Amino acid sequence: GAVVSQHPSRVICKSGTSVKIECRSLDFQATTMFWYRQFPKQSLMLMATSNEGSKATYEQGVEKDKFLINHASLTLSTLTVTSAHPEDSSFYICSARDAGTGSSEQYFGPGTRLTVT
Amino acid sequence: DQQVKQNSPSLSVQEGRISILNCDYTNSMFDYFLWYKKYPAEGPTFLISISSIKDKNEDGRFTVFLNKSAKHLSLHIVPSQPGDSAVYFCAARTGANNLFFGTGTRLTVIP
Repeated sequence: GAVVSQHPSRVICKSGTSVKIECRSLDFQATTMFWYRQFPKQSLMLMATSNEGSKATYEQGVEKDKFLINHASLTLSTLTVTSAHPEDSSFYICSARDAGTGSSEQYFGPGTRLTVT
Repeated sequence: DQQVKQNSPSLSVQEGRISILNCDYTNSMFDYFLWYKKYPAEGPTFLISISSIKDKNEDGRFTVFLNKSAKHLSLHIVPSQPGDSAVYFCAARTGANNLFFGTGTRLTVIP
C-alpha cells in the first residue's frame, strides 16, 4: 500500500515552454502533498506544500507564479513549471500523506527528471 | 542554511560487515528523525525512524542511534548486504511539520 506515482518520469523541454508534472496517490487519499526539488549532490529541498481545496504554501525563495501547483482532487496534485529555463533542470519529487491514517508519514513518488534545453 | 548534514558523501563496506552512516543536525527543536533509502531514478523510501524521547530504535538489521546532546544520529546496518547499496538520506522534523533532508550518503556494499 501507500504508493505514489509521478508522470512523466523524464521530460525534456525547450527553454520558454511550460511542462506539467503529475503526482498521484494510487491507493490512498491525500489532502496534503509536497513538492521537492533535488539538484545534483544536494539534498531534497521542499518547494511547496499542496493542500486539496486550497492554495499551495510555497517555501521562501520559490516563485509561485513560476511553479504553479494545483491539488485537483484527493489523489492528484500537479506542478507546472512555466516558462522553463535551463536552471530549472532538476529532479522533482512529490510526496503525499495518507489522510485516512492521520499519520505525518510522507510517501514519495519516483521523481521526474526535467531537462530544459 | 543546511539544518541537517551528512558529511560523508560516500561509504564503501565489505559484505557482512557493519555500515555506519552519520547525520548531524543544528535545530534543537527537531523531535523526530527518519532515514530514507533511495535507488537511482526512484523516490526515497522510508527505512527507520526515531523519536527524540528515545536513543535507540532497532528494526532487523537496521538500528538508529540518537545522541541529542551532540545533535547526532547514526544508522547502523549489520550485516551489510549488496542490496543495501543505495543513497541514504537522513531527515528531521518538528511535530507534524515539514521534513528537512541531509545531502545523502551513497553506500556501496562490496560482495
